[in-house]
Amino acid sequence: AQKVTQAQTEISVVEKEDVTLDCVYETRDTTYYLFWYKQPPSGELVFLIRRNSFDEQNEISGRYSWNFQKSTSSFNFTITASQVVDSAVYFCALSEKGGLSGSARQLTFGSGTQLTVLP
Amino acid sequence: GAVVSQHPSRVICKSGTSVKIECRSLDFQATTMFWYRQFPKKSLMLMATSNEGSKATYEQGVEKDKFLINHASLTLSTLTVTSAHPEDSSFYICSASRAGGRYEQYFGPGTRLTVT
Repeated sequence: AQKVTQAQTEISVVEKEDVTLDCVYETRDTTYYLFWYKQPPSGELVFLIRRNSFDEQNEISGRYSWNFQKSTSSFNFTITASQVVDSAVYFCALSEKGGLSGSARQLTFGSGTQLTVLP
Repeated sequence: GAVVSQHPSRVICKSGTSVKIECRSLDFQATTMFWYRQFPKKSLMLMATSNEGSKATYEQGVEKDKFLINHASLTLSTLTVTSAHPEDSSFYICSASRAGGRYEQYFGPGTRLTVT
């Protein structure tokens, strides 16, 4: 069975601070995919990143960066120089290798981390 | 590309009535669609997976007679909450996946259901 743990329920930072959101996962599969989503108060999920289990390279996209470490089963997300607009709930999710010609398997979500960035 | 819509975005219904939520993939053919439920301040929980033309596969604990899912075409899946009760009030989110889509899921904007 798959499991995703986001131990940080709520984080509050002051604008311009860096913040790291932790994600630890469990899976028996050797091929899997990890995701991060942002959910602002509107409720719509915003896709941030997808990473497959074969690619442990860290990734940077603007103020966002991700650290994937298979040895510790972690996929942490860092926001540099946080802004008020970053305030949202962030979900880490895990998916097994897809079936049907590349279609997706269901996602297992972590419990989410509520990030509040104060001005 | 890869836009998924949901309708309605909000619905209020009376206890005992049924309500249908539509999930459409607007610019691609969705071979697989997923329905999730989210309680306030909680995570998304998978309810069921549906492949076009097949019966939906429900997760343990989800009543299939209460939450009817139909995936009749490659661009439309519907979730019908039958005989709704206040405890069915929740945020329902669908997602869609396409064959050869690099295992990506595209999420709809969600439907907030309130049962009075």
